[in-house]
Amino acid sequence: KAGVTQTPRYLIKTRGQQVTLSCSPISGHRSVSWYQQTPGQGLQFLFEYFSETQRNKGNFPGRFSGRQFSNSRSEMNVSTLELGDSALYLCASGGTDTQYFGPGTRLTVL
Amino acid sequence: SQQGEEDPQALSIQEGENATMNCSYKTSINNLQWYRQNSGRGLVHLILIRSNEREKHSGRLRVTLDTSKKSSSLLITASRAADTASYFCATDEWGNDYKLSFGAGTTVTVRA
Repeated sequence: KAGVTQTPRYLIKTRGQQVTLSCSPISGHRSVSWYQQTPGQGLQFLFEYFSETQRNKGNFPGRFSGRQFSNSRSEMNVSTLELGDSALYLCASGGTDTQYFGPGTRLTVL
Repeated sequence: SQQGEEDPQALSIQEGENATMNCSYKTSINNLQWYRQNSGRGLVHLILIRSNEREKHSGRLRVTLDTSKKSSSLLITASRAADTASYFCATDEWGNDYKLSFGAGTTVTVRA
């Protein structure tokens, strides 16, 4: 089976812009989770989608949003970017118990 | 906030030696998983141990879990240069399998 794919792999934006990241889970997996990784805060849970519904949400401001499509692909959107949003954004595809992660999208906000 | 702490923060060993790292967590868990990350890339799943298990092996990896102490350890035996990476423990709670809480990670350097 193909693994979790994320696009784009690298992104550079400026403050105030918005960005959309995409994640395609492992075939057959219906759960997609998103995590933010920064040197200061480590790995933080953003949200999780299952069958197009958000089931869990972490402690992030409303500027961070996501959605899931009927084919289980997911997108996350960050609006009004701030310098502190620079991070590695990781998507995880959920099987039974185990989460499988994609390579991540490195977002740099200038 | 992060669920747990990992100890040590960094570890440097010679090739062939064993590496041990520990993870402590705060709340009751369903499963505990260990992941490896190379140079800021994606996380690679290593092993999962359930709350009713005490020890698990996978190749050169050995994981223990002590739920009374809310702690886990990961042992990598006969380390190789390719084991150089950051290692994270992650926990999930009952009924919340898909929301993982991560520790801060242990950075392991294996010297040739």
